[in-house]
Amino acid sequence: GAVVSQHPSRVICKSGTSVKIECRSLDFQATTMFWYRQFPKKSLMLMATSNEGSKATYEQGVEKDKFLINHASLTLSTLTVTSAHPEDSSFYICSAPIGSNQPQHFGDGTRLSIL
Amino acid sequence: GQQVMQIPQYQHVQEGEDFTTYCNSSTTLSNIQWYKQRPGGHPVFLIQLVKSGEVKKQKRLTFQFGEAKKNSSLHITATQTTDVGTYSCASNTGKLIFGQGTTLQVKP
Repeated sequence: GAVVSQHPSRVICKSGTSVKIECRSLDFQATTMFWYRQFPKKSLMLMATSNEGSKATYEQGVEKDKFLINHASLTLSTLTVTSAHPEDSSFYICSAPIGSNQPQHFGDGTRLSIL
Repeated sequence: GQQVMQIPQYQHVQEGEDFTTYCNSSTTLSNIQWYKQRPGGHPVFLIQLVKSGEVKKQKRLTFQFGEAKKNSSLHITATQTTDVGTYSCASNTGKLIFGQGTTLQVKP
């Protein structure tokens, strides 16, 4: 069964709306989670590393004020796309390793469409 | 930062033909992981290679890690339609840096 749960699976909303995506680790604690974005026919691009109890670490070129990450508990990280615009439409996906240097387990992803 | 280049970007094969995808890095990798992503789905972990020259097999899939730990390959023998998807290598340095992925199409 799934070890990482991500919700919602699909969001369609108007430009200017803020969208929150949740990523939960099931039956294990994740001090670190990762957020990726994937455009059609492109590879997964790491956006940021979510750290429980501290600030997220963003990859170069990713606006931290645009993509707010909160990792308030050992099983939950959230990504909020603030004031979303059509160019933010993409497939957002989270992952978490069960242990250090262990393979990543991915959520099912969230397909975000901004009209 | 560390980058992993992967080729080819796309590969169309006839069912039963073999398939190979290659990953290369300009720097030495501590390890490399391989993932498969079906269309519309999320990446699923296949394997991790750590040792120089390591070769691992999973049924029809053979994974290799180069002697210099700068390259890796995935070879599928006698492809089946169920092999369709995007195969991506990823360098794990505490966070995953993915290669561009190779999308495999298999014609029945």
